[in-house]
Amino acid sequence: GAGVSQSPSNKVTEKGKDVELRCDPISGHTALYWYRQSLGQGLEFLIYFQGNSAPDKSGLPSDRFSAERTGGSVSTLTIQRTQQEDSAVYLCASSLEVKNIQYFGAGTRLSVL
Amino acid sequence: QKEVEQNSGPLSVPEGAIASLNCTYSDRGSQSFFWYRQYSGKSPELIMSIYSNGDKEDGRFTAQLNKASQYVSLLIRDSQPSDSATYLCAALRQAGTALIFGKGTTLSVSS
Repeated sequence: GAGVSQSPSNKVTEKGKDVELRCDPISGHTALYWYRQSLGQGLEFLIYFQGNSAPDKSGLPSDRFSAERTGGSVSTLTIQRTQQEDSAVYLCASSLEVKNIQYFGAGTRLSVL
Repeated sequence: QKEVEQNSGPLSVPEGAIASLNCTYSDRGSQSFFWYRQYSGKSPELIMSIYSNGDKEDGRFTAQLNKASQYVSLLIRDSQPSDSATYLCAALRQAGTALIFGKGTTLSVSS
């Protein structure tokens, strides 16, 4: 596609449920990043993929958060047993290679009731 | 200590004026810096990247970097109402993976 695609654009879930967020990077981009943007917190790094491996998971806030990437393309961020504090916009970005400019998708707005 | 600091604003300027946005960072190993613009409810959009000390100009935008002072700025000349947005300063970690963002400065350009 022309840009980074994320789905769903909005997700409302109940506390304790699991959610999956999807990111489809720009074609040919080897690096993929997940960020979270909460009110008053700014954009926070979660995890980075180079190909299918995740050399940097330092931003994942707890073991309820996990992510995978398959085929060097699509990535899924999974949040288990969601909590209200997980409510945020989850943004995915991709870059041609690591250290290159990162281009962002439109994000998934997650609301945990 | 927050790794990238920005004044949250709002910064209000009249149409046609110069808007000056500032940012400081703490990681001396950071070599790459970026300014993103984010309209309300939208995703960040890259405005400028800068890697070397000095100025980099692109149209109405000029980015300035001073690594000794750990300071990055963005000047917007001839500000337009359409420039009203939140401007995010980001530094690439020394390890070269994650972008570390400031909380953003909200700019309001009045016509």
